[in-house]
Amino acid sequence: AQTVTQSQPEMSVQEAETVTLSCTYDTSESNYYLFWYKQPPSRQMILVIRQEAYKQQNATENRFSVNFQKAAKSFSLKISDSQLGDTAMYFCAFRPGNTGKLIFGQGTTLQVKP
Amino acid sequence: DVKVTQSSRYLVKRTGEKVFLECVQDMDHENMFWYRQDPGLGLRLIYFSYDVKMKEKGDIPEGYSVSREKKERFSLILESASTNQTSMYLCASLSGRDSDTQYFGPGTRLTVL
Repeated sequence: AQTVTQSQPEMSVQEAETVTLSCTYDTSESNYYLFWYKQPPSRQMILVIRQEAYKQQNATENRFSVNFQKAAKSFSLKISDSQLGDTAMYFCAFRPGNTGKLIFGQGTTLQVKP
Repeated sequence: DVKVTQSSRYLVKRTGEKVFLECVQDMDHENMFWYRQDPGLGLRLIYFSYDVKMKEKGDIPEGYSVSREKKERFSLILESASTNQTSMYLCASLSGRDSDTQYFGPGTRLTVL
């Protein structure tokens, strides 16, 4: 079975500092996608960043970047220059290449402190 | 921008009631999904649909059914609500053509008393 594990239920970081959220996954697929979604306290889930498994280069979106370690099945999210608006629950998700279904991790609640 | 809307943000129902949760998307997406979100469990897929009148069970379909009569609308039905169905329900849509990104609605917080 394909699983996604986020081992950090809660994290906090000071404003302007850098924080890394961890995610590991288990699959026998060779073609898949990985995502980080953000769910602010208002509850609207939005995409932060995505990574195609066949790409070796780590994805980057402004202050958000990933460390994709395919052999280790690890997909961590780094948030640089943290802002108060980054306070949210973050979900790591896995999508097999032949389906639109997403498999989510348990989520990490991130608190950015002023 | 893609817009996914859900009929209610908060809903309170009684045990045994039939409950309808509605989801509408405005981007002509082929695929639509229903998840429930519970603390410590993340999001779990209940049902999904890849076309009108087509549906497939997700990981936790028991106690739920779905309906997709029109492309833009995907309904989740609780035939006889139970207290263990108290949860946050999220709808999502996905283009089958040129996107691998799911777009989510704001969620419905359902409480079953």
